[in-house]
Amino acid sequence: DAGITQSPRHKVTETGTPVTLRCHQTENHRYMYWYRQDPGHGLRLIHYSYGVKDTDKGEVSDGYSVSRSKTEDFLLTLESATSSQTSVYFCAISESASGRNEQYFGPGTRLTVT
Amino acid sequence: DQQVKQNSPSLSVQEGRISILNCDYTNSMFDYFLWYKKYPAEGPTFLISISSIKDKNEDGRFTVFLNKSAKHLSLHIVPSQPGDSAVYFCAGFISNFGNEKLTFGTGTRLTIIP
Repeated sequence: DAGITQSPRHKVTETGTPVTLRCHQTENHRYMYWYRQDPGHGLRLIHYSYGVKDTDKGEVSDGYSVSRSKTEDFLLTLESATSSQTSVYFCAISESASGRNEQYFGPGTRLTVT
Repeated sequence: DQQVKQNSPSLSVQEGRISILNCDYTNSMFDYFLWYKKYPAEGPTFLISISSIKDKNEDGRFTVFLNKSAKHLSLHIVPSQPGDSAVYFCAGFISNFGNEKLTFGTGTRLTIIP
């Protein structure tokens, strides 16, 4: 299994509070991704990174920001959490975006915004 | 705009029979397609992929078929086993620089009946 951990695994927070989710990898892969999974929507890309300090938006980036100061860590921040951000968040990594871009996923973080 | 569609949210199949999961896409630029399998409370795991220049790829019990003219792919699982019960996502990928993103479908929940 690819070495990807996510923390926390579960979090309950109140509307309006900031929340940071962490993804840590031990594979030294260049690409890192944050997705959210919601019923009826599948997996939707929030943000991704193609190197240290290099990030770009995905299809559902509003209300989220990311940072990557080290190869191994990719942080997802909800600046002011809303109930619509209640979801399961997955981090993924890939070594190369050429070829088939096989991505390896972390175990997920279940976030509930009350 | 849902570029990758899985129109069947769920599918039930008898153990030992063939499971066929379908996926349609609209973006003719996709040059790789991937299938992921997801168990509850775990991250998705890569299952099998196919290049757009192929029409079939086989790996053990799993075979993916691609019909480019119909913009349709399918995953066949033969014979189906109880451990195959999971949610299956298909995804498309365009392998050129600057577009390192997978586009996922909404998933199909497969239940294998013993």
